[in-house]
Amino acid sequence: EAGVTQSPTHLIKTRGQQATLRCSPISGHTSVYWYQQALGLGLQFLLWYDEGEERNRGNFPPRFSGRQFPNYSSELNVNALELEDSALYLCASIAGAELEAFFGQGTRLTVV
Amino acid sequence: GEDVEQSLFLSVREGDSSVINCTYTDSSSTYLYWYKQEPGAGLQLLTYIFSNMDMKQDQRLTVLLNKKDKHLSLRIADTQTGDSAIYFCAETPWGQGGKLIFGQGTELSVKP
Repeated sequence: EAGVTQSPTHLIKTRGQQATLRCSPISGHTSVYWYQQALGLGLQFLLWYDEGEERNRGNFPPRFSGRQFPNYSSELNVNALELEDSALYLCASIAGAELEAFFGQGTRLTVV
Repeated sequence: GEDVEQSLFLSVREGDSSVINCTYTDSSSTYLYWYKQEPGAGLQLLTYIFSNMDMKQDQRLTVLLNKKDKHLSLRIADTQTGDSAIYFCAETPWGQGGKLIFGQGTELSVKP
């Protein structure tokens, strides 16, 4: 069974551009979570989607947004990129009542 | 509030036991987790414990939870060089789905 897959693995953008990151959860998982892992800031919760709806968001500006599709895959969009948006973006999907989160390998976003 | 703290570095000799400590502030935590991150990789779930348990053992891993002191520890027996990685403690606040609050991560270095 495939795990959580993310694409692309690496993305280089210039300041002010938009970035789109994609995530496919494990088959049967309906919840997708996005996290940002920036150097020196640790892992920060970004967004939670479940059944196509945004359920919760972390302390990030509105230029961080996303959506979840009917097949439960998800996109994270970052508009008006800033240098400090450079980070590893991790997607996770959840299994079972134990809330066991499985993570993808991440997308390394570099803003120059 | 929700805050998780870990020491940043731990160095041990191969064959010794490693103990990684974590403290958290949220008394409503439902589950507490330990994740492992190897260089350039996503997060791998090692083990988790429900908040009404005080110990869980899984092969070389032992998790101890002191709910009164809000202290969580991960003991790795017979530590190997392949255990060198960053270890993250995380908790899920009650009522927020599977949202994870992470510590800063402890970098474990195992010397031969």
